[in-house]
Amino acid sequence: AQTVTQSQPEMSVQEAETVTLSCTYDTSESDYYLFWYKQPPSRQMILVIRQEAYKQQNATENRFSVNFQKAAKSFSLKISDSQLGDAAMYFCAYRGYNFNKFYFGSGTKLNVKP
Amino acid sequence: DVKVTQSSRYLVKRTGEKVFLECVQDMDHENMFWYRQDPGLGLRLIYFSYDVKMKEKGDIPEGYSVSREKKERFSLILESASTNQTSMYLCASSGSDRGSSGELFFGEGSRLTVL
Repeated sequence: AQTVTQSQPEMSVQEAETVTLSCTYDTSESDYYLFWYKQPPSRQMILVIRQEAYKQQNATENRFSVNFQKAAKSFSLKISDSQLGDAAMYFCAYRGYNFNKFYFGSGTKLNVKP
Repeated sequence: DVKVTQSSRYLVKRTGEKVFLECVQDMDHENMFWYRQDPGLGLRLIYFSYDVKMKEKGDIPEGYSVSREKKERFSLILESASTNQTSMYLCASSGSDRGSSGELFFGEGSRLTVL
């Protein structure tokens, strides 16, 4: 089975600064999808950003961008101009191209300091 | 707005009780999932279903069963609740078009405490 590793259980960032959350994964597949999900306290998990492995260009969604290194099997999330509302648990997830199962990392709790 | 609704946000049950967690989605999705979320362990897949009356075991199915009688509804059943099943349970759904990312849509979660 594929594994997804988030090595940072908790991180802190000052408001308006930039933070990078790390994620590595293990797979033998060549086509797959990677995701970052955000889970605010006591609220529902929502998709932040997704990356198709066949695309070389890194995905970007407003202040959120990824650094996808396919050979290194690394998929980090960069949050620019951090806001208080970014405080949440962030989960990295993997999905194979032809399968519906998702594999999640253990999560990184992001604190944003005013 | 797409929606995945879980019937109970908070439940408290006694050891040995039968517990039903209900999940309904309004997106006509083929795939539905039940995850368990525990601190430091992330999300672990209990069961998933890719069609009505179809189900597959995930990574931690022991002690759980599921039911999918209608496309929009996926139920998780704890036949005899135990204290080690105290956890947050997340339901999710996704479409099944091959080649699409099949993004997961989540419910708000059901926090179960077994005493």
